[in-house]
Amino acid sequence: DTGVSQDPRHKITKRGQNVTFRCDPISEHNRLYWYRQTLGQGPEFLTYFQNEAQLEKSRLLSDRFSAERPKGSFSTLEIQRTEQGDSAMYLCASSSTVSTDTQYFGPGTRLTVL
Amino acid sequence: KNQVEQSPQSLIILEGKNCTLQCNYTVSPFSNLRWYKQDTGRGPVSLTIMTFSENTKSNGRYTATLDADTKQSSLHITASQLSDSASYICVVSASGATNKLIFGTGTLLAVQP
Repeated sequence: DTGVSQDPRHKITKRGQNVTFRCDPISEHNRLYWYRQTLGQGPEFLTYFQNEAQLEKSRLLSDRFSAERPKGSFSTLEIQRTEQGDSAMYLCASSSTVSTDTQYFGPGTRLTVL
Repeated sequence: KNQVEQSPQSLIILEGKNCTLQCNYTVSPFSNLRWYKQDTGRGPVSLTIMTFSENTKSNGRYTATLDADTKQSSLHITASQLSDSASYICVVSASGATNKLIFGTGTLLAVQP
């Protein structure tokens, strides 16, 4: 296993379009997190899953955002009717409650909304 | 309000020199503190993790300290290398909520030859 992977690495879209990002966590990790990071800032928590259950959602996650983890493995984050303010790096992380619960981050998806 | 503040915001040093980055936090109740290194355009990578009872933790040329009484941490980088150029982020998690991390804004370090 090479770690957390995210796809695509970069996405450019026009305002109003829908986009979907995918995250594949480290295989034995039961927790999966989504963060958003804007330039010069630390990551901001969006939501997290334990197995397939979405246990917490940030107030940052407006109704245009939805995340799923249907089989407790990979996860998708969809943004509907994108706005320019959605431009950011979207980071996925995974951890295992069996070990130190250290979160391992993926490389991120850079979204640019024109 | 749970907050993590880092200083300096940015730092430029010459290759081979040492430097120390600072982190102050107001997260309560405290569970652990991590330092992450984030290269430009990449996800953060964990360097160290310290719990309440740990005062210092080393990872190669990186040494982190924690003073839980004053709620301060530092990351010391020894004999800096060009590859150390990155953003260093202090991250704190609270007891009972280890699933959610509180991130500092990071210190952007540039190591010049």
